[in-house]
Amino acid sequence: AQKITQTQPGMFVQEKEAVTLDCTYDTSDPSYGLFWYKQPSSGEMIFLIYQGSYDQQNATEGRYSLNFQKARKSANLVISASQLGDSAMYFCAMRVITGYSTLTFGKGTMLLVSP
Amino acid sequence: GAGVSQSPSNKVTEKGKDVELRCDPISGHTALYWYRQSLGQGLEFLIYFQGNSAPDKSGLPSDRFSAERTGGSVSTLTIQRTQQEDSAVYLCASSFTRDTNTGELFFGEGSRLTVL
Repeated sequence: AQKITQTQPGMFVQEKEAVTLDCTYDTSDPSYGLFWYKQPSSGEMIFLIYQGSYDQQNATEGRYSLNFQKARKSANLVISASQLGDSAMYFCAMRVITGYSTLTFGKGTMLLVSP
Repeated sequence: GAGVSQSPSNKVTEKGKDVELRCDPISGHTALYWYRQSLGQGLEFLIYFQGNSAPDKSGLPSDRFSAERTGGSVSTLTIQRTQQEDSAVYLCASSFTRDTNTGELFFGEGSRLTVL
């Protein structure tokens, strides 16, 4: 079974600074995908970035990048140049690719960006 | 519509009553998921449908919870004899899942259930 751990219940960052949100995972399957979602106070779930276990390079999407360290089983999200609109709950998730499986979520990290 | 549609958006019910929550996934998406999110908490997996395969019901918290997906499209989550601890936002998501695809989930806006 898959497990996702997000050890930071809350993080604070000043506007324009970078912030790293931690995520570690556990699976015995060699083929998997890692996801980050953002959930603002409005409640919608917004997909941010994806990293496949066989991808050679770290995924990047605009100001979001994923620091993928396979040996450590970590998939930290880095947000560069934080904006006030980045204040939200952030969830790390994973899915085993072989066969069909569900997306397992971590408990989330609340990010607050201050002016 | 283009996105995942859920109804009702809000439901207030009395303890002991049955409720039905509906999810209309994105057309063509083969996978459909139900999650539950209690206030300030993460997403708790409930049930997963993939094409014509038997659903993965491993996340359903009790036999009061059931779900079906008719014709591979619309899904209904039913909670019988509701309890106060069932109060939560119920999120539905769909994806076009293949081995070579990211299988990104597209979420609906959720159905907020309040049991008095």
